[in-house]
Amino acid sequence: AQSVSQHNHHVILSEAASLELGCNYSYGGTVNLFWYVQYPGQHLQLLLKYFSGDPLVKGIKGFEAEFIKSKFSFNLRKPSVQWSDTAEYFCAVNAWDDKIIFGKGTRLHILP
Amino acid sequence: DGGITQSPKYLFRKEGQNVTLSCEQNLNHDAMYWYRQDPGQGLRLIYYSQIVNDFQKGDIAEGYSVSREKKESFPLTVTSAQKNPTAFYLCASTSDHSGQPQHFGDGTRLSIL
Repeated sequence: AQSVSQHNHHVILSEAASLELGCNYSYGGTVNLFWYVQYPGQHLQLLLKYFSGDPLVKGIKGFEAEFIKSKFSFNLRKPSVQWSDTAEYFCAVNAWDDKIIFGKGTRLHILP
Repeated sequence: DGGITQSPKYLFRKEGQNVTLSCEQNLNHDAMYWYRQDPGQGLRLIYYSQIVNDFQKGDIAEGYSVSREKKESFPLTVTSAQKNPTAFYLCASTSDHSGQPQHFGDGTRLSIL
């Protein structure tokens, strides 16, 4: 069965710091990988996704994620965070045509 | 604008009562999903439907029921059999059968009195 593990439940950073949120998954076959973001009081929305091809995926708002197949990882990165990045971030995985599995989420708090 | 409408935003239920959460979409999406979000638990799939008049149980279907009589509507009933119903409920949809929700509603927060 698929599973997703997010290493940090709560991360606090100062503005301009670099961000890396860890995500590992377990599944033996080909997977699709996602990061979703939920800003306070807003919809959950898709930040970026990986299906195939270049393992370095660029998303909205300067975020990127790198798929490392050998490590079963899909870590989210941003070189310099802003106060507006305060949100909860969810990693997710699915095998094609199967239901998506979400991680437990990482709550990111950026200090102004 | 197309989107997903969940109502109500806040819902209170007495113990022993069934309650129905509404989810309507005007995106013409085939697939719809219900998730439950608890602090520190992420999103967990309750039920999903890939086509009208068909739905499947997700990971935590016990104590819940759904119907999909119309493409645009996927109501979720939280029954009295659900022992811990207090949570935030999210409805989602997607245009294909990939299992990847593309659009989410604003959610309904259910609390037990």
